[in-house]
Amino acid sequence: EAGVAQSPRYKIIEKRQSVAFWCNPISGHATLYWYQQILGQGPKLLIQFQNNGVVDDSQLPKDRFSAERLKGVDSTLKIQPAKLEDSAVYLCASSLRPSGMNSSYNEQFFGPGTRLTVL
Amino acid sequence: GENVEQHPSTLSVQEGDSAVIKCTYSDSASNYFPWYKQELGKGPQLIIDIRSNVGEKKDQRIAVTLNKTAKHFSLHITETQPEDSAVYFCAARRSGAGSYQLTFGKGTKLSVIP
Repeated sequence: EAGVAQSPRYKIIEKRQSVAFWCNPISGHATLYWYQQILGQGPKLLIQFQNNGVVDDSQLPKDRFSAERLKGVDSTLKIQPAKLEDSAVYLCASSLRPSGMNSSYNEQFFGPGTRLTVL
Repeated sequence: GENVEQHPSTLSVQEGDSAVIKCTYSDSASNYFPWYKQELGKGPQLIIDIRSNVGEKKDQRIAVTLNKTAKHFSLHITETQPEDSAVYFCAARRSGAGSYQLTFGKGTKLSVIP
């Protein structure tokens, strides 16, 4: 089966510019996650969708970050305007069931990520 | 919120030796502990996980142990091979209704020397 697809793989922008990342989860996966992974750290959850609804966006910097999953399938994460500290790898993941469920069906499958460099 | 500490940050072993990575967590309500392997340029991949109702789980050369009282869990890789070289992350999470985030450690870069 095809994995989680992300594009672009790399992006270089200057501070205060805007950028958007795209994610296509594994077919049939209802739950989609966006993570930020700063160099030398583990992934940090930015937002979690269940179908097209937001379940958790408590760590999303809402003044500059936005995300949508309009049709409950693919998703877009946007940063506007970007800051130097936004340089990171942005990972998308999907799971069959929500993260909190005590089930073997909530394994998260990660995409390859988009490496963002803000100059 | 949950806090996960992971040690060591880097680990070098000779091929064939064992590698051990340790993590501690702060939230006593956490009951799910996965381990991920991340190779260069790729996203993390789940390699093994353990739930709080068991103390140990094995899968071929990989094993994970959990001590709920001490709130720590460890990854053990035996007979290491060069292809085991990667960054390994531990994580912790509660389960139940609603959204419970996976909290990741900072990672361990494992190098297996041929």
